[in-house]
Amino acid sequence: DADVTQTPRNRITKTGKRIMLECSQTKGHDRMYWYRQDPGLGLRLIYYSFDVKDINKGEISDGYSVSRQAQAKFSLSLESAIPNQTALYFCATGHRNEQFFGPGTRLTVL
Amino acid sequence: TQLLEQSPQFLSIQEGENLTVYCNSSSVFSSLQWYRQEPGEGPVLLVTVVTGGEVKKLKRLTFQFGDARKDSSLHITAAQPGDTGLYLCAGASLTSGSRLTFGEGTQLTVNP
Repeated sequence: DADVTQTPRNRITKTGKRIMLECSQTKGHDRMYWYRQDPGLGLRLIYYSFDVKDINKGEISDGYSVSRQAQAKFSLSLESAIPNQTALYFCATGHRNEQFFGPGTRLTVL
Repeated sequence: TQLLEQSPQFLSIQEGENLTVYCNSSSVFSSLQWYRQEPGEGPVLLVTVVTGGEVKKLKRLTFQFGDARKDSSLHITAAQPGDTGLYLCAGASLTSGSRLTFGEGTQLTVNP
């Protein structure tokens, strides 16, 4: 079984809808991250969490929110999706300076 | 803001050729990682380098960290079609904690 799982893997939604992307990990890492990937822009950090009570904004947090429900679970929400949030979204866990990524969610906002 | 610049952005070569990908910055990093990403999947960690001048080898892949810890290179010997993918470098600084700064990636295609 994969160490970092993401659901759903693909999602198409409409402008204005609320969307939640979920991430679970079995690696036992305290640190978890959410990134988005766009062609030509690389991976950009949205939010990160060092433990259940610690949530931090990344470089592009506007329009997003997160919840760390447990050490193993970190979800990302788009309260009101807009088309420029169409992207690949990755969850990752971290140990020291190394990060381990999930398989990604391809989100399309129409 | 720390930036990592990768070059080239795209690289298409024939099987058996050698290649080098570069990752450069004006900032000093406490460690630097290289990842490979295939279509439809997340990035997979290949190596971490932490000491200036460090060289690590992973089969046909050779990774080097610059003496000043501001740059790194990835050299692939006798490339194979299975090496095709997006190669990403990522650095951690002394002030960023475990947050990583990612380069934009090098898309490598190895043609049979």
